[in-house]
Amino acid sequence: QQQVKQSPQSLIVQKGGISIINCAYENTAFDYFPWYQQFPGKGPALLIAIRPDVSEKKEGRFTISFNKSAKQFSLHIMDSQPGDSATYFCAPAIGSSNTGKLIFGQGTTLQVKP
Amino acid sequence: DTEVTQTPKHLVMGMTNKKSLKCEQHMGHRAMYWYKQKAKKPPELMFVYSYEKLSINESVPSRFSPECPNSSLLNLHLHALQPEDSALYLCASSQAGRTSAYNEQFFGPGTRLTVL
Repeated sequence: QQQVKQSPQSLIVQKGGISIINCAYENTAFDYFPWYQQFPGKGPALLIAIRPDVSEKKEGRFTISFNKSAKQFSLHIMDSQPGDSATYFCAPAIGSSNTGKLIFGQGTTLQVKP
Repeated sequence: DTEVTQTPKHLVMGMTNKKSLKCEQHMGHRAMYWYKQKAKKPPELMFVYSYEKLSINESVPSRFSPECPNSSLLNLHLHALQPEDSALYLCASSQAGRTSAYNEQFFGPGTRLTVL
């Protein structure tokens, strides 16, 4: 019920290109849909997130598209830069006992070539 | 200050040792989390504290013992670990409350643990 499937597992993009990462979920109780970015040797950090009453959210070069009926959401990185090379996790969230529980996808390793 | 600090950065321990990991935040967050992350895998939730009380234990073996002595500190006590417990241990914190799912979790850099 809490399974989250993320694709692709790895992605290589040329500088200036568009990176697209997809996430599919099963649990309809999820009520917040964040993407976390993790650089080697660091903890994950929130990149961008969307609530289920919105279909798209854009912050700079990063856009989340959300399709509630399909139970899918995706991350688009426009004008990809070498500094975007990192691992990206979708991590839909559910509220639990005054805290938020993140269910992480398997991760996508993005490499942006100069 | 939006930083979560973790000490030590690296820890090597034998299977009979007792050690502790420490996590600290000064953002006024009342929810704190321990995660375990193996190489090339996503973080796995271990424990959650809400208002200094343990609220979630994801069926973690008793050789891991969490402690939240106050609202800024979170410890993870380790005893009789196995080599397969070697991993990056991440601490995170967030606001707590009714709309908790919307609250950003801030992660520390982690402690790299090696069990010999």
